[in-house]
Amino acid sequence: EAGVTQFPSHSVIEKGQTVTLRCDPISGHDNLYWYRRVMGKEIKFLLHFVKESKQDESGMPNNRFLAERTGGTYSTLKVQPAELEDSGVYFCASSPGTYGGYTFGSGTRLTVV
Amino acid sequence: GIQVEQSPPDLILQEGANSTLRCNFSDSVNNLQWFHQNPWGQLINLFYIPSGTKQNGRLSATTVATERYSLLYISSSQTTDSGVYFCAADSNYQLIWGAGTKLIIKP
Repeated sequence: EAGVTQFPSHSVIEKGQTVTLRCDPISGHDNLYWYRRVMGKEIKFLLHFVKESKQDESGMPNNRFLAERTGGTYSTLKVQPAELEDSGVYFCASSPGTYGGYTFGSGTRLTVV
Repeated sequence: GIQVEQSPPDLILQEGANSTLRCNFSDSVNNLQWFHQNPWGQLINLFYIPSGTKQNGRLSATTVATERYSLLYISSSQTTDSGVYFCAADSNYQLIWGAGTKLIIKP
């Protein structure tokens, strides 16, 4: 089966611009998660979808971040406007159940200059 | 909230050596996972291990949930084992990550 796909793999944007990251989970996985690792810090949870509903968005840093999962399939994470501190690697994961069985994508490395 | 600590932060070994990585967590968790981030940045799920011991080839993991720690063993290290090893505790439907152990295997 295909894994979790994220694109772009890299993105370099200027401060103030908008960037949209996309994640395609494993087909049939109801649970989709976004995590990120900013430079030198630990990987942190951003949010969790169950199908198209946001189950937990407690990790979203501020209202410049907007995540959607239309139709319970792929998800997008938009950062608008981007700030320098948003630079880091954004990971997406999916799982069939709530606990365990996570499969991660390769991540999107975002650089804001 | 739950704290996850990993040790050592860095480890440099010669090819063929064995290693033990440790993960401590501060409270009971639903699950504990080990990941390997390879040099290309990919996070590979190694073990899903809430308790007990599991083995996969040269790698094995043990979680003692009552004592709130997990160990990852790597035997006969190869250069391809290099990278960062993370443990993550599954709590309230989200993973809480340790800072990772950066492992370098020298040929």
